[in-house]
Amino acid sequence: EVLLVESGGGLVQPGRSLRLSCAASGFTFGDHAMHWVRQTPGKGLEWVASISWNSIKIEYADSARGRFTISRDNTNKSVSLHMTSLTSEDSAVYYCAREGYYGDYAVPTSFDTWGLGTLVTVSS
Amino acid sequence: ENVLTQSPGTLSLSPGERATLYCGASQGVSSSYLAWYQQKPGQPPRLLIFTASRRATGIPDRFSGSGSGTDFTLTISRLEPEDSAVYYCHQYGSSPRTFGQGTRLEIK
Repeated sequence: EVLLVESGGGLVQPGRSLRLSCAASGFTFGDHAMHWVRQTPGKGLEWVASISWNSIKIEYADSARGRFTISRDNTNKSVSLHMTSLTSEDSAVYYCAREGYYGDYAVPTSFDTWGLGTLVTVSS
Repeated sequence: ENVLTQSPGTLSLSPGERATLYCGASQGVSSSYLAWYQQKPGQPPRLLIFTASRRATGIPDRFSGSGSGTDFTLTISRLEPEDSAVYYCHQYGSSPRTFGQGTRLEIK
C-alpha cells in the first residue's frame, strides 16, 4: 500500500521555526517528485513547495520562498519542509503529496497520493 | 499566476441526477495539465481526473472530465449519496500550481 505519513505539526509562536517530515512507503520513493500542499478554511488549497526526484529542481510558492526549505532523503524515503519566520498566515493543515505519472511517457498526473496531513497553528 | 475560478459554489442534486461542475482559468492551461479532486470532511483530497480527461486509478466511469485551454468541466453522471463532497480543479501546467476555490456538491 502506498502511504505518506506527515509529522512535526503543532502549536508554534509567531517568528519561530518548525520542521515537518513525511515518511513514504509502498512505492519506489526515488522515482517521484514530492510536494507540500497546505489547506486553510479561508484560503483553500495552496501548493507550497516541490522537489524533483533527484533534488535538482526545487520550486516554492511566493508565500514560502525565502522562509521555507524543502528537502528529501531518498535513502530513508522521506521529504521535509523546514519553515522559518512563521506567521499566523502559515497556520494550516500541511499535506505531503506525491507526483504521479501515467503511461509509457510518464505523463504527470499531479498529486496522486496524499498523506492525512499535519496541523500547524501559529499563535502566541 | 493562473487563477482558477469554479462554478457554481454549491450544487444540490438528487441521487441519479447528473452534476456538471465548471472550472475557468485566467490563462490557458499548458498541455491540458488540469486535474480534479474530491474531498470529503476530515480526508485529504482524492485525485479523480488528470490531464483534463483521464480518470485516475480506481475512479468509476461515472466521473468524466473535458475541456482545454481555459474552460474545463467535470461531469458526474448518475449521482450517488457518497458523491457528496467538495470538488476542486487544479492546474499543474505552470508554476505556481494553483487550485480553484471548490464546488460543494450536496446530494439531497
